Amino acid sequence: EDQVTQSPEALRLQEGESSSLNCSYTVSGLRGLFWYRQDPGKGPEFLFTLYSAGEEKEKERLKATLTKKESFLHITAPKPEDSATYLCAVRISSNTGKLIFGQGTTLQVKP
Amino acid sequence: EPEVTQTPSHQVTQMGQEVILRCVPISNHLYFYWYRQILGQKVEFLVSFYNNEISEKSEIFDDQFSVERPDGSNFTLKIRSTKLEDSAMYFCASSVGGTLNTIYFGEGSWLTVV
Repeated sequence: EDQVTQSPEALRLQEGESSSLNCSYTVSGLRGLFWYRQDPGKGPEFLFTLYSAGEEKEKERLKATLTKKESFLHITAPKPEDSATYLCAVRISSNTGKLIFGQGTTLQVKP
Repeated sequence: EPEVTQTPSHQVTQMGQEVILRCVPISNHLYFYWYRQILGQKVEFLVSFYNNEISEKSEIFDDQFSVERPDGSNFTLKIRSTKLEDSAMYFCASSVGGTLNTIYFGEGSWLTVV
């Protein structure tokens, strides 16, 4: 069964304290791994797409990496405004682009 | 920046009533989706729609659910007879193409069934 697991479930950091979020997956055929940010009561906001092992993408304080079994979202020197739930999703081999989501990591950054 | 818009943002309905959730996808997108998120749970795929027909649906998307693109801009999700367990945030999403394109989500419609 296709599965996506994120860890930790929750993470509390001090402002400036760098860390990483993990997304591990077991799927029949990966056609892309996506990272989204979700604020409370809002829809997922697109951050990155990664397609192949070894690929990396960066945006401001965030950097996403991909291996054959997992992806990491590295947060460098986070600020309070980075507080949100970060969702990982995979697109498996299909004609429809359906995404399978992990349960998310809720990040709280304290000033 | 183009965005997916959804209405209503929040709806309360009686069990057994019909509900229609509306979405305006990004204008040049061709693939449309509905997902839902029950409070505290994962975002779950419901259905994908392309070329005026359903291309894939999940086990959740049973006969109580239907989707429609009534005109060139709107995409709707109808729940025929709501149940308590249908209470969730429903997200509309769209993408330019299928497999290799990013899926953009709307802000969601929060449905409460009482």
